[in-house]
Amino acid sequence: EVQLVASGGGLVKPGGSLRLSCAVTGFTFRDYSMDWVRQAPGKGLEWVSSIDTGSNHIYYADSVKGRFTISRDDAKNSLHLQMNSLRVEDTAVYYCARWENDALDIWGQGTMVSVSS
Amino acid sequence: EIVLTQSPGTLSLSPGERATLSCRASQRVTSSSLAWYQQKPGQAPRLLIYGASSRATGIPDRFSGSGSGTDFTLTITSLEPEDLAVYYCQQYDGSVTFGGGTKVEIK
Repeated sequence: EVQLVASGGGLVKPGGSLRLSCAVTGFTFRDYSMDWVRQAPGKGLEWVSSIDTGSNHIYYADSVKGRFTISRDDAKNSLHLQMNSLRVEDTAVYYCARWENDALDIWGQGTMVSVSS
Repeated sequence: EIVLTQSPGTLSLSPGERATLSCRASQRVTSSSLAWYQQKPGQAPRLLIYGASSRATGIPDRFSGSGSGTDFTLTITSLEPEDLAVYYCQQYDGSVTFGGGTKVEIK
């Protein structure tokens, strides 16, 4: 069964850090580009970051550039998002998703990140 | 950055009715790079349509996508109660952007 399981969310103070992980099963992880997408409470979807196969091309939304770092471990079938200098406006559910045919075809269940003092 | 504007914001229809959701882009979008997602309450989004008109695996044929250039449409031919959800369009031109969503309510 194809599955993406996100973890690592929690409550953190402004300026703090969190590392999100996404464990992948059911497909050959190294063959796919992967993305992070977030959704603030009651709001729409916002693309955050993407990483291609082999980690050759990495992209970030302007809102997180310089603060977030996406990475992947193909040996462990896992995707990560290191989030530093967190702000209140980073509060959201963070989804990992697989990229295929210029769309996000498989999504994880999401992990909640709350930034508050 | 290409901005996607979805309309209407909310659509309230009865079961069996036809739903037409619009997604308008601020610049021309390559048809192969336009997708639609369904997000039910409390759930992650699910891919419905990719390449503007191709249904994703397991998606019922009452869902269809059409359009080109700057105007795209998601049609649900006969609404089912389980279609209650927010629907998002998304484009990729080297950068991913999503529309603001259309909420479909079932009367």
